Amino acid sequence: LAKTTQPISMDSYEGQEVNITCSHNNIATNDYITWYQQFPSQGPRFIIQGYKTKVTNEVASLFIPADRKSSTLSLPRVSLSDTAVYYCLVGGPGAGSYIPTFGRGTSLIVHP
Amino acid sequence: NAGVMQNPRHLVRRRGQEARLRCSPMKGHSHVYWYRQLPEEGLKFMVYLQKENIIDESGMPKERFSAEFPKEGPSILRIQQVVRGDSAAYFCASSPRGTSTDTQYFGPGTRLTVL
Repeated sequence: LAKTTQPISMDSYEGQEVNITCSHNNIATNDYITWYQQFPSQGPRFIIQGYKTKVTNEVASLFIPADRKSSTLSLPRVSLSDTAVYYCLVGGPGAGSYIPTFGRGTSLIVHP
Repeated sequence: NAGVMQNPRHLVRRRGQEARLRCSPMKGHSHVYWYRQLPEEGLKFMVYLQKENIIDESGMPKERFSAEFPKEGPSILRIQQVVRGDSAAYFCASSPRGTSTDTQYFGPGTRLTVL
C-alpha cells in the first residue's frame, strides 16, 4: 500500500483558498487518490477522487501532477463550516480487497 | 435511501462487560468495514467483511474482538470483557464493490465509554 504524508494541521481565514498537499512517493500505476472530510463527532465523508491531472466537483478541486507522487486538494473560499480533518488515501482498484488507510489527516481550522 | 446506520450511538459499559455494536450498510452494499478512532487520532482499520465472510481482520486485536456480517441483518462488532483502553469511537462504512474507486459511506459512529 502506498503511504501518504500530509501536514498535521493548517489554519486559514474565511474567504481564502486552502490547498492541502499529500505526498505519496511510492504510488502504484493502478492507484487512485481519494480525499475524505471528517467533522467532529461524525464519520468521514467522501470529497473527491482522481487518477491524474485535475478533477473538479461542486466542493473541491484535486490537482495531480504528471508523476503522481503528490496531490493537492484545493478548497475555494473556505467558510467556518469547512473546519474539519481532511484525509488523503491512495489505493488500487482491486475488487474485494481494498483496505483504506486513513492516517491522521490534516486538521484544518478556519478562523473568522 | 437511508444511509449507513449504526446503533447504539453511545454505549457505556463497565470493565469486564460485553459491548455489541451494530452496523446496517446502505441498501445494495455488501462490503462493510469497521474502524476505531481514539481521541485526536485518525481512523484505524479493524476488519473488512462481505456477507457471511471475513475478508481481512488484520487490524483487529486477536483477543476479545470479533465481527460478523450475517446473510440477514446488520454487521456486528463484538468486544468481550471490555477494558478502559477500548473506549473510542467505532465507525463502520459500506461500499458496493469493495474497490478503491468506490466511495465509502460512513455511519455516525458508536461512542463506547468503558468505566
